[in-house]
Amino acid sequence: QVQLQESGPGLVKPSETLSLTCTVSGGSISGSYWSWIRQTPGKRLEWMGFIYFSGSVNYNPSLERRVTISIDTPKNQLSLKLASVTAADTAVYYCARGATYCPNGVCSKARAFDVWGQGTLVAVSS
Amino acid sequence: QSALTQPPSVSGSPGQSVTISCTGTSNDVGNSNRVSWYQQSPGTAPKLIVYEVTNRPSGVPDRFSGSKSGNTASLTISRLQAEDDADYYCSSYSISSTVLFGGGTKLTVL
Repeated sequence: QVQLQESGPGLVKPSETLSLTCTVSGGSISGSYWSWIRQTPGKRLEWMGFIYFSGSVNYNPSLERRVTISIDTPKNQLSLKLASVTAADTAVYYCARGATYCPNGVCSKARAFDVWGQGTLVAVSS
Repeated sequence: QSALTQPPSVSGSPGQSVTISCTGTSNDVGNSNRVSWYQQSPGTAPKLIVYEVTNRPSGVPDRFSGSKSGNTASLTISRLQAEDDADYYCSSYSISSTVLFGGGTKLTVL
């Protein structure tokens, strides 16, 4: 089955750029859509954006000026970059697969997340 | 866009039922069939338990059921078990093509 693994630095300095990679195993990154989601120390979940295998993206408006999500199909990876970080960006960062269901042979994007990585904690501190 | 509103905590005894509410607006829950629920145990990633308001992924017990009325979605857990003790989050796709999450509800099985 599909598994996701996030990787990247666990500590980033304020004003720098946070960069994470999510490696997809057990399946192809093509044909699905993907998201980055973060969870704050207070346990609040925040959706950061969608990326489709075509490369098109939708970002959370509250992060749009700072976030970039991209996909590397040959490597079966997606990546996250968040610029100009502050302490408020300290969180556990998850990559997740968007769920698609096909009742009666007609497929639709459920806009839910059916496979998640284990998450990686990123702290922003000098 | 604001987060969806959930009660911070609910509780119930084994065998009982509990319902967790998730209130949004006409821009999200009220106009979306893409409402989902997640269960999160300590130290683990969230797990999808309901999608598209009422549907359960394969392997999720039928004790978990979702519904929606107006701008409020609900998750009902019947025949509570000790293993249901966890945090629960709702989410909704909005008319602006974004995803909102609720603040989370801690379910305590007494």
